Amino acid sequence: DIVMTQSPDSLAVSLGERATINCKSSQSVLYSSNNKNYLAWYQQRPGQPPKLLISWASTRESGVPDRFSGGGSGTDFTLTISSLQAEDVAVYHCQQYYTTPPWTFGQGTKVEIK
Amino acid sequence: EVQLVESGGGLAQPGGSLRLSCAASGITLSKSFIGWVRQAPGKGLEWVSVFYSDDALHNAGGTYYADPVRGRFTVSRDISKNTLFLQMNSLRVEDTAVYYCVCSASWTGLFDIWGQGTMVTVSS
Repeated sequence: DIVMTQSPDSLAVSLGERATINCKSSQSVLYSSNNKNYLAWYQQRPGQPPKLLISWASTRESGVPDRFSGGGSGTDFTLTISSLQAEDVAVYHCQQYYTTPPWTFGQGTKVEIK
Repeated sequence: EVQLVESGGGLAQPGGSLRLSCAASGITLSKSFIGWVRQAPGKGLEWVSVFYSDDALHNAGGTYYADPVRGRFTVSRDISKNTLFLQMNSLRVEDTAVYYCVCSASWTGLFDIWGQGTMVTVSS
């Protein structure tokens, strides 16, 4: 199975400052036939189900603010919040959906306001 | 708008059974890629199972299960009620979690629609 490891486990950032979360996969999730990274980011606010933020490593879902951006390729990925807002307090999960199951998630990163 | 509404969670004893339901609206289960993801208290997300129906555009239908639940959990559907079920047998304490019904528009493991979840507690 592909193991997903996020860092850090938690971070506290001041309002308006940048937050960066890392996600590393134990094997590449870049599919060579279509040059797509099968990597997603989800946001889970307290008491809510996860919400898809970014797919294919860097494609923002409709309605997601442009302060959220995803990057990386192969085995190393990042989620950046360029200017943290109060409503961004949440746990962020990365997930690989490379080919057939099992699909696996990182352990989650909790983002708080400093 | 696609909506998934789970029900059926509750308390079960180790070795017992529960059946979860996921009522879908805005999609047709007979042409869907739909499954379950769980989250133990204070823990991360864990994919549980997926069911996808026959579709001329994609491969033939099938069902996949995660190793920890294979042989104990079974996914089924009632097309007339547009409802997906998760039959959970031989429950273990470690099955305690919120179970989310999830759906993928891309017919991959990318889950763009999530239900609100239903809590399952396995305890004696």
